Amino acid sequence: KNQVEQSPQSLIILEGKNCTLQCNYTVSPFSNLRWYKQDTGRGPVSLTIMTFSENTKSNGRYTATLDADTKQSSLHITASQLSDSASYICVVSDRGSTLGRLYFGRGTQLTVWP
Amino acid sequence: EADIYQTPRYLVIGTGKKITLECSQTMGHDKMYWYQQDPGMELHLIHYSYGVNSTEKGDLSSESTVSRIRTEHFPLTLESARPSHTSQYLCASSEGQGGNQPQHFGDGTRLSIL
Repeated sequence: KNQVEQSPQSLIILEGKNCTLQCNYTVSPFSNLRWYKQDTGRGPVSLTIMTFSENTKSNGRYTATLDADTKQSSLHITASQLSDSASYICVVSDRGSTLGRLYFGRGTQLTVWP
Repeated sequence: EADIYQTPRYLVIGTGKKITLECSQTMGHDKMYWYQQDPGMELHLIHYSYGVNSTEKGDLSSESTVSRIRTEHFPLTLESARPSHTSQYLCASSEGQGGNQPQHFGDGTRLSIL
């Protein structure tokens, strides 16, 4: 069964600190992996996308890594801000269908305290 | 910034009522999706559409129905609402084939059936 597992389930950090969120997947055949940010009461917004050949992708203070061999990804947030408080969702797409089926993790709920 | 809109944002209604959740996008995307999301859980695909007059059921069985008469409009209907339908419903759209294009999400409708 294709799955996406994220850890930790929730995380609290102080403003200005760094943190790393983890995503392990078993989706095969793999097409790409995205990290989405979902603010409370809003829809998810795409932060980064990585394909099989990419192992690092940055978007401002967000840096995603991908190890396709171990099927692991991480999202590193540098110098956290209060506005980083949100749920971060790992989404993996397969190549097995025209739709490019998406497999969603349950998200990591990040809270940044002042 | 994605232009995809959902109305209403919140809806509290009694059992047995007919409900239509609206979703519109102004990006001209052919592919549109409906997801159901419960707190702390992953998004589940309940309906999708490749284009006008195309609708398919997703992975999660749902008593709702959808229609796609116009490219920009993808409403979801519940003929007779029940408490088990209480959830958040997210609409999304994307361009192109497969999972290589990001899905742009609306801000969701939080539905509560009494």
